Amino acid sequence: GAVVSQHPSWVICKSGTSVKIECRSLDFQATTMFWYRQFPKQSLMLMATSNEGSKATYEQGVEKDKFLINHASLTLSTLTVTSAHPEDSSFYICSAIPGLAPRGEQFFGPGTRLTVL
Amino acid sequence: KNEVEQSPQNLTAQEGEFITINCSYSVGISALHWLQQHPGGGIVSLFMLSSGKKKHGRLIATINIQEKHSSLHITASHPRDSAVYICAARIQGAQKLVFGQGTRLTINP
Repeated sequence: GAVVSQHPSWVICKSGTSVKIECRSLDFQATTMFWYRQFPKQSLMLMATSNEGSKATYEQGVEKDKFLINHASLTLSTLTVTSAHPEDSSFYICSAIPGLAPRGEQFFGPGTRLTVL
Repeated sequence: KNEVEQSPQNLTAQEGEFITINCSYSVGISALHWLQQHPGGGIVSLFMLSSGKKKHGRLIATINIQEKHSSLHITASHPRDSAVYICAARIQGAQKLVFGQGTRLTINP
């Protein structure tokens, strides 16, 4: 089946620093990728939709200048958390839709756990 | 009220029991996904369905479009089935998913 990877799987950083998270589709091309955030014991919350070659579409309440998304190729999308603060500590998950997926089946990455000290 | 509601929120059962998790939605959808999330956090897509029933091993997913309801069943449950199960609806005309709150399933040996 289709595989989506994320790197790093976990990261600890100091407050004020920026952190980049990569999401890669390993065996398919993904025109659309999604970024989610999940707080403990809560469900996933969509942050933004990333389309290859165009600007990301952010959900209401998500600061686009704080969460920079770049979908520069059909297999890679990156999420950069800029000037991270402890409240940004969360589990970040990406998903991808293959270009030829029947009816838009999504494949999820393993997630990245971010801890901001 | 959430657009996608799951029940129960928590479920504890003994090994071997038949498990049912329910999902109701209030919007028009083009597909419904059932996802599994283990304690480590990674998410596995179990099913995507838009009508009828699908089966994979001990897992069965059904959907009733008229009633806007889907169920996930696990037969002969096993402790390794312990996880959070999430239903997610793909809204008609859109690609993004709307998630239920998740059902935390614990199967005791």
